[in-house]
Amino acid sequence: QSALTQPRSVSGSPGQSVTISCTGTSSDVGTYNYVSWYQQRPGKAPKLMISDVTQRPSGVPDRFSGSKSGNTASLTVSGLQAEDEADYYCCSYAGSYTWVFGGGTKLTVL
Amino acid sequence: EVQLVESGGGSVQPGGSLRLSCATSGFTFSDYWMHWVRQAPGKGPVWVSRIISDGSSASYADFVKGRFTISRDNAKNTLYLQMNSLRVEDTAVYYCVRDERYAPSRWGQGTLVSVSS
Repeated sequence: QSALTQPRSVSGSPGQSVTISCTGTSSDVGTYNYVSWYQQRPGKAPKLMISDVTQRPSGVPDRFSGSKSGNTASLTVSGLQAEDEADYYCCSYAGSYTWVFGGGTKLTVL
Repeated sequence: EVQLVESGGGSVQPGGSLRLSCATSGFTFSDYWMHWVRQAPGKGPVWVSRIISDGSSASYADFVKGRFTISRDNAKNTLYLQMNSLRVEDTAVYYCVRDERYAPSRWGQGTLVSVSS
């Protein structure tokens, strides 16, 4: 499978909202409601922020939200805080018990 | 507390072999499907392999098929990845990942594999 497509970078000022897109195909994002999002800080492992397109695990701030339309999923971070600065990756189930990931988006808090 | 701790990474020449291990704790290991995911420097993660909960079935990405073997020991709560015929392009951090409802829910801290001559 080809990697999911994400913008290389997004930025916003504290308190603003930013949205990161994740575009796949009808073989992954478009078919399955198993899209997840991860936050990764330098030298650390990815941390699950959103699962099943919209579900926030316990402990993840409600400033993080997910959605999907067609072959594109999105992660929105509202009320940006300095601590949100990190790399963000999307992931979709791609059938046959495999996953496909995005190339990553660097979120900068100005 | 859920923990996944990888080990066994290192530097190796092309054509060499390594065996990665992932020791787990804090959850019932035998209940979960497990995966290996790798991430090359500056790149996004890439799925490598998965094994079902009882170890009886596994699958692989095409780029490692025939070279890598995933296995598990449920008595030891440990996941393995035997990597043979390593190539320069296999250089990456390898993560042990727990599968939960078709998503990578928990990740280990990763172990670095570097393949160069």
